[in-house]
Parts: sequence; C-alpha cells; structure tokens
Amino acid sequence: DAKTTQPNSMESNEEEPVHLPCNHSTISGTDYIHWYRQLPSQGPEYVIHGLTSNVNNRMASLAIAEDRKSSTLILHRATLRDAAVYYCSSYGGATNKLIFGTGTLLAVQP
Amino acid sequence: DGGITQSPKYLFRKEGQNVTLSCEQNLNHDAMYWYRQDPGQGLRLIYYSQIVNDFQKGDIAEGYSVSREKKESFPLTVTSAQKNPTAFYLCASSIDGGTNTEAFFGQGTRLTVV
Repeated sequence: DAKTTQPNSMESNEEEPVHLPCNHSTISGTDYIHWYRQLPSQGPEYVIHGLTSNVNNRMASLAIAEDRKSSTLILHRATLRDAAVYYCSSYGGATNKLIFGTGTLLAVQP
Repeated sequence: DGGITQSPKYLFRKEGQNVTLSCEQNLNHDAMYWYRQDPGQGLRLIYYSQIVNDFQKGDIAEGYSVSREKKESFPLTVTSAQKNPTAFYLCASSIDGGTNTEAFFGQGTRLTVV
C-alpha cells in the first residue's frame, strides 16, 4: 500500500499563502493523490486531487512533483476557517483501499 | 439533500457488548468505507466494500464485522473481541472506489465503552 508522510503541524498567518507538503514515494503510477481536511469532531471533507499535472479549484491548488514522490497543497490566502487537519491520501493501487496519512494540523494566526 | 448519514452521533456501551453503527448514503455510490480515528491520530481503514454483497478487510479489521446487503447501507458491528473500541468512527463513500473519485464522509459516531 502507498504510504504518505506529512509534518505533524504547521502555522500560518491570516491572508498569507500556505504550502502543505506530503511525501508519497511508494505511490503507484496510476494512483491519484488526494487531499482532505478535517475540522474537530467532524468528518473529513474533500479538497482536491490530481495525478501528474498541477490542479486548481476554488479551495486550493495542488502541485505534484515531476517524479510524483511528493506533492504540495497550496492555500493561496489562509483564513481562520482554514485551520484544520489536512490529510494527504491515495487509493492503494490495485486494492482500491483509500489510505490516509497522519495529517498536518494547520494553525492560522490572525 | 444527498449525503452520508451516520447514527447515532454519540454511543455508550458496556464492555463486552456488541454494538452496531449505522451508515446510510443516498448518493448512489458503489464503494463504502469504515475508518477508526483515535485522539490526535489519523484515519485507519477497518473495512471497505466496492459493491453490494462484497467487502474486504482494511488494516485494522480484527474485532469488527460488516455487511453490505443493500447499496445504500454499510453497518459496522464492533464486537466484544475488539480490545479498545472507544474511538471516533467515520463512514465514507465514493462513486466507484476508483482512484480518480473523491470520497464523501459522514459526521462520525463517537463510541465510548465503559
């Protein structure tokens, strides 16, 4: 199964960009990289996913390294509502198991 | 509204009792998942199902059982064999379990065994 590694925590100031890294060196060539975020005592919500090219949506951007061994979730202007645990995840190749890393707790300072 | 409903939100049980957590979705999704989350920890996969009447063990299946008799329902039973059942349980679904599909999560059930 693909394993993802993320920093335990990061801090940002409001209105500034945030770059959340994830290492996934064992991911298979056809597995998409997914990002979810979770507020306390709630279920995770989908943020973005991609395969090889960089991806943008209304919530964030996803930059994927050329060798696909790492990716970075980019929040262009952090707000207080972006404070959450961010999970990098992937489906485990042929097994289709959706596997999550340990997540990064993002704190946003006003 | 379409979505995933987990019930109840909070559940208390005595040690040694089996307990069943409900997960229902009206998204017409084929794939469904159960995760366990402990305080300050990530999500660990218990069981998953890609189609009705079929399911596979995840990474921590011991002490748990599931059924998938209907497309919209994927109940999880926490048995007395589960040594540390107190945790936050999350159910999710995706349209077909394929790698290019996003997962939708319920709001979770917090189980406390006393």
